[in-house]
Amino acid sequence: RKEVEQDPGPFNVPEGATVAFNCTYSNSASQSFFWYRQDCRKEPKLLMSVYSSGNEDGRFTAQLNRASQYISLLIRDSKLSDSATYLCVVNVVNTGTASKLTFGTGTRLQVTL
Amino acid sequence: DTEVTQTPKHLVMGMTNKKSLKCEQHMGHRAMYWYKQKAKKPPELMFVYSYEKLSINESVPSRFSPECPNSSLLNLHLHALQPEDSALYLCASSQGASGRANRLSTDTQYFGPGTRLTVL
Repeated sequence: RKEVEQDPGPFNVPEGATVAFNCTYSNSASQSFFWYRQDCRKEPKLLMSVYSSGNEDGRFTAQLNRASQYISLLIRDSKLSDSATYLCVVNVVNTGTASKLTFGTGTRLQVTL
Repeated sequence: DTEVTQTPKHLVMGMTNKKSLKCEQHMGHRAMYWYKQKAKKPPELMFVYSYEKLSINESVPSRFSPECPNSSLLNLHLHALQPEDSALYLCASSQGASGRANRLSTDTQYFGPGTRLTVL
């Protein structure tokens, strides 16, 4: 079983649609959780951290369910510029002085006119 | 400013060449990372430096040799690479924390733009 699992997609949605991505992780010792966005041939960029209380940043809402080891990302009112790969990322702190990230395989989103 | 810079942007090298990738950050971060990313795959961790000491080596072949000259710089020396080593090499940095697990639980990594490496 992969440490972080995501549906690879692609998700093809029209502009203005609401789309949700899910992610599960296997290590119950995981400490922190993130969504990164990666455009084609570019580096991953931090989209948002994910907290148990849920957090929102404009059109983006992230949720964490520690009991189910499940993370979600909701994008409302999709824009063409949201087209990218969304990486679910989990931090298992085991080095003592630096974080160690485990990446999901990513979910590809294509927003169309 | 959350900028991590990497040079060169692109690199083509033969299997007998020696080259180096460079990474720099001026955010005062004390942890720096090298990742390798193949097409349509997520980044794979190679090395972690924390407070200028090698903290993690993910069983990377010795033809890849990391170096951390100071807290702002991270190099990756390449020698006798194989064509299958062609990939995007990403550097990242994070605040890190000296033995403070509660701070590490919110440690966030920021990535540079990467060096696209082709080995012929």
